[in-house]
Amino acid sequence: EIVMTQSPATLSMSPGERATLSCRASQSVSSNLAWYQQKPGQAPRLLIYGASTRATDVPGSFSGSGSGAEFTLTISSLQSEDFAIYYCQQYDNWPLTFGGGTKVEIK
Amino acid sequence: EVHLVESGGGLVKPGGSLILSCAASGFTFTSHAMSWVRQAPGKGLQWVSIIGRDGRLTVYADSVKGRFTISRDNSKNTLSLHLTSLRDEDTALYYCAKGLGVEVPETRVFDYWGQGTLVTVSS
Repeated sequence: EIVMTQSPATLSMSPGERATLSCRASQSVSSNLAWYQQKPGQAPRLLIYGASTRATDVPGSFSGSGSGAEFTLTISSLQSEDFAIYYCQQYDNWPLTFGGGTKVEIK
Repeated sequence: EVHLVESGGGLVKPGGSLILSCAASGFTFTSHAMSWVRQAPGKGLQWVSIIGRDGRLTVYADSVKGRFTISRDNSKNTLSLHLTSLRDEDTALYYCAKGLGVEVPETRVFDYWGQGTLVTVSS
């Protein structure tokens, strides 16, 4: 099983700041990596797939990069609605696996 | 507009069984793989199972293999998950999720999710 490790577990940021979230795979997943955002009481929302392709209606402030085993989600300027938990997911191999999440909280 | 509505959750004793359903609308159901993903209270996401668009391909997480069965009825745009031999650790909110693309590997990316149905396993 491919283990996905996200860091940091919690990111304390102020609105307007740039946030950088990391996701590391225990082995290469090529570019088969997705990012999701989850707010309290809501279902996850797809942000990024293919490591860097924004999903429909996702703002340009979100960008993904990386390939192989190291990936990054960047939020260029945090808005109030961006404070949430972010999960990465590999879909290169079975079983599909998620990282433990990074909570982006207001500082 | 895509809608996924799960139902069938509830309180069940260890060793018991339950059938979850997901009613899909707003897209061509027969063109997309579908998955179940669960989330234990206060925890992260765990993929459970996937079924191909024609129902022939099914894959399971090791933790549920042999106990859960995924199926779909393309005539009714419905996805199901039959849970048996339930354990305490199966307690979770179970989400139905639609595959993004019609070709691998984007069938394994989840672009729409339901609101989930809660399964609680407790004596």
